Amino acid sequence: NAGVTQTPKFQVLKTGQSMTLQCAQDMNHNSMYWYRQDPGMGLRLIYYSASEGTTDKGEVPNGYNVSRLNKREFSLRLESAAPSQTSVYFCASSPLQGRNSPLHFGNGTRLTVT
Amino acid sequence: DQQVKQNSPSLSVQEGRISILNCDYTNSMFDYFLWYKKYPAEGPTFLISISSIKDKNEDGRFTVFLNKSAKHLSLHIVPSQPGDSAVYFCAFQGEGTNAGKSTFGDGTTLTVKP
Repeated sequence: NAGVTQTPKFQVLKTGQSMTLQCAQDMNHNSMYWYRQDPGMGLRLIYYSASEGTTDKGEVPNGYNVSRLNKREFSLRLESAAPSQTSVYFCASSPLQGRNSPLHFGNGTRLTVT
Repeated sequence: DQQVKQNSPSLSVQEGRISILNCDYTNSMFDYFLWYKKYPAEGPTFLISISSIKDKNEDGRFTVFLNKSAKHLSLHIVPSQPGDSAVYFCAFQGEGTNAGKSTFGDGTTLTVKP
């Protein structure tokens, strides 16, 4: 009963490098989300996928791309990392989009860009 | 313009007493209101929610109150326990085209002293 699994847990990148953050859920949820949390701030939505085959921009999408690979997996790609992307990234899933459908979060990926 | 504000970054209470965490919002289109709890190095976990058609929801030691006219949400924890020490985020969900976009406050760090 893993819930939402994120890999890697930690990552250090140099400016300009690229990487993909992986996320998988085993709860058969339809919707998946990527958030970032900066120190002392709340979670800000980067991208979300209401259902398999669809993706939409959130509040802070610039510099990121996403892929909903299948119902279980939703990846986040940084094509050219910048120091401003240093943050903790959380993937989440929910059974439905909205409708009082609480989010289930993974434990996060801590990314540092130097 | 921040739509959700948790004006107290931190709160310290004695074990056994009441903890009251507050949240103010500006967007009248929010339809569901949720509280999440977050321990260090973990993802947020859902705690309790309330629909916009209600003014109170109880779950054990946790009660959420909604004052729509004042656009104010609060979480009461009675009695507080040391294990409640965590960061608490209020979050809001819209409906329709905004259903997938949960908006989070910046969080309040609760410390319950034994």
